Amino acid sequence: DTAVSQTPKYLVTQMGNDKSIKCEQNLGHDTMYWYKQDSKKFLKIMFSYNNKELIINETVPNRFSPKSPDKAHLNLHINSLELGDSAVYFCASSQDKFRGTEAFFGQGTRLTVV
Amino acid sequence: DQQVKQNSPSLSVQEGRISILNCDYTNSMFDYFLWYKKYPAEGPTFLISISSIKDKNEDGRFTVFLNKSAKHLSLHIVPSQPGDSAVYFCAASARLPNAGNMLTFGGGTRLMVKP
Repeated sequence: DTAVSQTPKYLVTQMGNDKSIKCEQNLGHDTMYWYKQDSKKFLKIMFSYNNKELIINETVPNRFSPKSPDKAHLNLHINSLELGDSAVYFCASSQDKFRGTEAFFGQGTRLTVV
Repeated sequence: DQQVKQNSPSLSVQEGRISILNCDYTNSMFDYFLWYKKYPAEGPTFLISISSIKDKNEDGRFTVFLNKSAKHLSLHIVPSQPGDSAVYFCAASARLPNAGNMLTFGGGTRLMVKP
């Protein structure tokens, strides 16, 4: 009964492909996020959605497009994958947009672009 | 530019002793600080937090201290247990208009507690 679940856990794909990572939370939270953990292990925010509305969009290539069909889901679609996109991507959710407190994270998706 | 820094990439402690993990920040707008714990192949798990209006918050074996003038916080774990072995991330957030809940993370410190 996972609170924040993302699929797939591992993704290996070739350069130039388009791929999606799905995320779902069953906590009833209003806000969801995508974070990227790079090879140096730094966790950096990419996007934040509150009730299906984009509220944070950090400097991320427009090849990355988040989609939130409802407030329980925030999927990440990546076009024309590049080697540098290889990283671990974490989905997270929190109760509301005003506090990052106790954001709950998914288990991560390790993306490897070859 | 890293706004949140954890200068020690790793720390090794004997079971039963105190573990002290440090974190420094540069952004004066940060007003809420959190510690997350991460095991391999899992997502970060919230551990403890502190508001900038406090200088200490305690939860069982875990205590976080905040020194605003020094822009420094630390996590104390006492007594340390082998199950505490994990990577610990310091994170901070700022009260900005429509900032959402953007957490800025440090690079993490790997804690190893030896039996």
